[in-house]
Amino acid sequence: DSGVTQTPKHLITATGQRVTLRCSPRSGDLSVYWYQQSLDQGLQFLIQYYNGEERAKGNILERFSAQQFPDLHSELNLSSLELGDSALYFCASSAQQGQYNSPLHFGNGTRLTVT
Amino acid sequence: GNSVTQMEGPVTLSEEAFLTINCTYTATGYPSLFWYVQYPGEGLQLLLKATKADDKGSNKGFEATYRKETTSFHLEKGSVQVSDSAVYFCALMDSSYKLIFGSGTRLLVRP
Repeated sequence: DSGVTQTPKHLITATGQRVTLRCSPRSGDLSVYWYQQSLDQGLQFLIQYYNGEERAKGNILERFSAQQFPDLHSELNLSSLELGDSALYFCASSAQQGQYNSPLHFGNGTRLTVT
Repeated sequence: GNSVTQMEGPVTLSEEAFLTINCTYTATGYPSLFWYVQYPGEGLQLLLKATKADDKGSNKGFEATYRKETTSFHLEKGSVQVSDSAVYFCALMDSSYKLIFGSGTRLLVRP
């Protein structure tokens, strides 16, 4: 058990809809990362937050947004969903941003299916 | 930009065979290097890491050495088990704190 909790585990929704994915980091971890894993694109970095502030941005679509709350949990919002958004979305956390060799601890992911 | 290249899978081995999964990277500066493993239905787990040139990371019989001269971080294990069947990801973290993954290599170990 990595200590990172993601909910829900599975989500099935229709095109055009909006969903929210939730992540609780390991106790004490200040950084949260979001990744998208799909068969054709592999594991893609979306966005990183550190102690409530956005720190790094990857291949995140404008239809997607995220935030980290004062209690350090994070939410990833996906809107105007398309079939191609179907993927496994992972959240990961790490202790500090200052230690760039600090490993990430991953949750078990949320599997999103857009029909 | 920074990137990681892994050998394509799947890699199919018999139990107790020797494993090598190749990984090379492109990066500015001095990144840290990692191997993660993903078992079916689970998230990624850190397998081992190395933070500077010539460091050797090791865990559960797996090893990888940070080779700056060849920009490589190949994963090896002397004797694989059926329970090692999983997808293995090589990754680097640069000074911008992004963890960049390779495409993953599926390992299948047959009894």
